Order: sequence, then structure tokens, then C-alpha cells
Amino acid sequence: SQLAEENSWALSVHEGESVTVNCSYKTSITALQWYRQKSGKGPAQLILIRSNEREKRNGRLRATLDTSSQSSSLSITATRCEDTAVYFCATDSGSWQLIFGSGTQLTVMP
Amino acid sequence: EAGVTQSPRYAVLQEGQAVSFWCDPISGHDTLYWYQQPRDQGPQLLVYFRDEAVIDNSQLPSDRFSAVRPKGTNSTLKIQSAKQGDTATYLCASSRTGGGSDYTFGSGTRLLVI
Repeated sequence: SQLAEENSWALSVHEGESVTVNCSYKTSITALQWYRQKSGKGPAQLILIRSNEREKRNGRLRATLDTSSQSSSLSITATRCEDTAVYFCATDSGSWQLIFGSGTQLTVMP
Repeated sequence: EAGVTQSPRYAVLQEGQAVSFWCDPISGHDTLYWYQQPRDQGPQLLVYFRDEAVIDNSQLPSDRFSAVRPKGTNSTLKIQSAKQGDTATYLCASSRTGGGSDYTFGSGTRLLVI
């Protein structure tokens, strides 16, 4: 089974709504990163949250990390059509070799 | 600042043919990674370099895959005798040692083996 895994295969919301993507992992980590991948592009880093941090924000994005339950979440507020993408969590155990989940397809409808 | 540049963008091969992918990382990034991303899956690390040295190539699928970074800048990933199972997008990423917040991916090369 995956060492990092998003909990939903796909989500859809309407523009302006908020949405949360969840991730669980099975290894000890030094950091967790959230990525967005649009069609035909490589993943783009959204937030890096280190193991000693509980929350990190980047504009409309907020990531949380709970190392005791080995889970993380990425929340997006005031969603826009351009937020439509696949969202990945990726764990790092100290060597910057990232282990990615399978991704959650987020569709934001007008 | 220029991003990570990869070429070609697409490649279509018949089984048994060879192919090479090229990556130009961000200037100043000493660490370079190659990932394989099958359709509808997350990227999976194949190999990574620090400068010209291979740090870990244990995830290269077989001896049909090889990667080099001779001068510690650009890198080439080669597949000898491609198989249909190699069909995927091949992504290159770079970062600075000890970084993480500057981890940057290229747009990838989409490989189809028929």
C-alpha cells in the first residue's frame, strides 16, 4: 500500500466555496509538501510544512500537520476555476526523496 | 529565473527502441531528481544526484534505465529497449541541498511505447 495517500480520489466544488484535501502517511517524516499539478504540467509546490510545525498558510491555502495521527490537510478558501488540478501530498523522511500519494482531482465549477 | 527545462516534450516509440530525456535544472540547484509518473498516479523517484554524484539509484526499474549528470549541471535519463510498461511521464526536479522549499519540477516528457 502507499506510504502517502490522499483520502479522496476526486472532489468537486463551486467557485467561491472552500474545500479540504486530506492526506495520511505511514512513515516518520521531517517534512510534508503539498503540490498542485495542472494538466500537461509538472507538480508545483504549494506549501512545505515541517514536522515541528502544526499549520502553514500561503494566501488562500492552509496546511495542517498532525504527526501523532500521521495526517495532513490542505484547505483552499474562495476557490476559483483555476484551482482545478490534481493535488498531491508528498512526504520527506530527511533526504528530500519525496514519496507522493496518488493525488486528488479537484474540479472547481463556475 | 528560468525554471527546470526538459526535452523533448513528447516521445513515441516502438518496443525495443531506445530513448533519452534531457533536463536542465535551475541554476544554483546542486540536487537533481528524476521521477516517473504513470497515468493517474503520483510521481515515483527513480534516481537523484548531488552535483555529478549519484546519491541513490536503487529505484531505477532495471538495467535498461540509466542516468548521468557528468558536469553537475544538465542530466540525461536513458531507456534502452523500451517496453510498453515504461509508458509514463518522466519528470525532472531540482533543489538546493538542505532546501525543500525551492523544490521545482519541469513540465516532463510524455513517453508512449507502442
